[in-house]
Amino acid sequence: AQSVTQLDSQVPVFEEAPVELRCNYSSSVSVYLFWYVQYPNQGLQLLLKYLSGSTLVKGINGFEAEFNKSQTSFHLRKPSVHISDTAEYFCAVNNQAGTALIFGKGTTLSVSS
Amino acid sequence: NAGVTQTPKFQVLKTGQSMTLQCAQDMNHEYMSWYRQDPGMGLRLIHYSVGAGITDQGEVPNGYNVSRSTTEDFPLRLLSAAPSQTSVYFCASSYNRKETQYFGPGTRLLVL
Repeated sequence: AQSVTQLDSQVPVFEEAPVELRCNYSSSVSVYLFWYVQYPNQGLQLLLKYLSGSTLVKGINGFEAEFNKSQTSFHLRKPSVHISDTAEYFCAVNNQAGTALIFGKGTTLSVSS
Repeated sequence: NAGVTQTPKFQVLKTGQSMTLQCAQDMNHEYMSWYRQDPGMGLRLIHYSVGAGITDQGEVPNGYNVSRSTTEDFPLRLLSAAPSQTSVYFCASSYNRKETQYFGPGTRLLVL
């Protein structure tokens, strides 16, 4: 069965510092991997996705993620964060039937000045 | 396009009451899903549909019912509300399994 583990529930960083949000997955079928962001009191917005091909995926707002099949990871990175990046971030993998998503529990990124 | 719309935005129920959360999309997406979001739990899949007339259970289906009579609409019914169903509910849709899931703005439900 598919599952997602986000290794950090909270990540505090200072503005302009780099950040990495860690995500490991478990899957018995071909994976499609996603990162979503949720700003306070809003819905979810897609940051980036991996379907196939290049293992380095670039998304919106300067974020990127690297698919590592041997380590079953899909970590999200940004070289320099802004206050406006403060949000909750969710890693997700397709369910076994490929019909919906299985989400991790989320990582709260708090950026301070 | 309005995208994915959900109504109501907020609802208070008493234990034992029933209600329907509405979800509609105007993107002609075949795949639609319902999730609930609880603090520290992420989003958990309740039910999903791969097309009109086809639905299936997700991770936490108990206490919820769905139907899909049209491509556009995917309502979620709470049969007899319980305090454990206090949550934020999100509806999502996508064209197929590889495409981005688009989320609605959510419905906040409080069951007293």
